[in-house]
Amino acid sequence: NAGVMQNPRHLVRRRGQEARLRCSPMKGHSHVYWYRQLPEEGLKFMVYLQKENIIDESGMPKERFSAEFPKEGPSILRIQQVVRGDSAAYFCASSDPFSRTGTPYEQYFGPGTRLTVT
Amino acid sequence: QKEVEQDPGPLSVPEGAIVSLNCTYSNSAFQYFMWYRQYSRKGPELLMYTYSSGNKEDGRFTAQVDKSSKYISLFIRDSQPSDSATYLCAMSYGGATNKLIFGTGTLLAVQP
Repeated sequence: NAGVMQNPRHLVRRRGQEARLRCSPMKGHSHVYWYRQLPEEGLKFMVYLQKENIIDESGMPKERFSAEFPKEGPSILRIQQVVRGDSAAYFCASSDPFSRTGTPYEQYFGPGTRLTVT
Repeated sequence: QKEVEQDPGPLSVPEGAIVSLNCTYSNSAFQYFMWYRQYSRKGPELLMYTYSSGNKEDGRFTAQVDKSSKYISLFIRDSQPSDSATYLCAMSYGGATNKLIFGTGTLLAVQP
């Protein structure tokens, strides 16, 4: 059973460029979460999505950041006009709201995308 | 004050020791409590999941939740060098938003 997949694993962008991070949830999972981990800081929640719906975006910066989870295909976290402060590890997690073996609140994380802005 | 406080360590113990990792929190509305293990430059791996107060055991790992004290613990018995990692506590309110609030993590080193 494949886990959460993220690509690319490493991404280098120059200031002002756009960054697109992709996340494919675990098989059977329909809920996706994005978190950011800055150097020397803990993981911070950014956004929670279901297919075609944003459920909670309370952790998303108001500008330049957007996320989507289309009916088909992976979830995308998009950062426009990147700045050096966006350099971080971005993690995606998924959960199964109808889990029969665990609970709907267990979140499983992918390996992350490390974004470096030069 | 942070919602979740966790001693960053580092914590260094000899192989075979019992390790105790702890977090405190300020919001009594948290219902779900998790422990994740994160190896360097990897994604967090879910270790333990508990709901409300009580103990839960899984192999060498025991998770405890004391909601009256707003305090959670993870115990690792017979620690191994392969347990060397950063341990993150996380909490959730549940309900409509399932976002996790993380502690900053405790770096553990188990010396052979």
